[in-house]
Amino acid sequence: GENVEQHPSTLSVQEGDSAVIKCTYSDSASNYFPWYKQELGKRPQLIIDIRSNVGEKKDQRIAVTLNKTAKHFSLHITETQPEDSAVYFCAASQYGGSQGNLIFGKGTKLSVKP
Amino acid sequence: EAQVTQNPRYLITVTGKKLTVTCSQNMNHEYMSWYRQDPGLGLRQIYYSMNVEVTDKGDVPEGYKVSRKEKRNFPLILESPSPNQTSLYFCASSHDSYEQYFGPGTRLTVT
Repeated sequence: GENVEQHPSTLSVQEGDSAVIKCTYSDSASNYFPWYKQELGKRPQLIIDIRSNVGEKKDQRIAVTLNKTAKHFSLHITETQPEDSAVYFCAASQYGGSQGNLIFGKGTKLSVKP
Repeated sequence: EAQVTQNPRYLITVTGKKLTVTCSQNMNHEYMSWYRQDPGLGLRQIYYSMNVEVTDKGDVPEGYKVSRKEKRNFPLILESPSPNQTSLYFCASSHDSYEQYFGPGTRLTVT
């Protein structure tokens, strides 16, 4: 089955700096890669996702890149702000078939220092 | 308001006492899923359902049961809870298994 590895487990940056979180996946059939943000005591919420037919997607200060050949994808946050502090999870799944598994990485705790 | 609800939000129980955590969504979503969240292990899928009467095992289904008799409800059943099922549980729903909308979570402690 699918296995998703996420690094680093913790990341501390100064406000205004960029943050990069990386994930690798094992199943070449996976074609959907979402990123979820979970603030302390809250539920996870989708912040951005990418499908395997594109290599990059941006939404304001957040971008995700996908390298299908190497089977890895990354989350990039620019101009970080204290409210970006949270745990971020990557995930992988096979959309479109009968599979409904969504496999998450173990998470990255991002701390943005003012 | 579009939402996923879970009940109870907090539960302390004893080993072996059957319990049910309810999950309901009002968005007419076909896909529903249960996850458990443990420190250092992230979110792990327990069971998911692509539609009414269709359920499948996720990564950690042992010790859990689910049913999907109605589109809006997807209860999680622990027939004989054990301490290793102490965890934070999230229900989620999705229109097409893309963006998942999570419920508020249920914190379960089994003593």
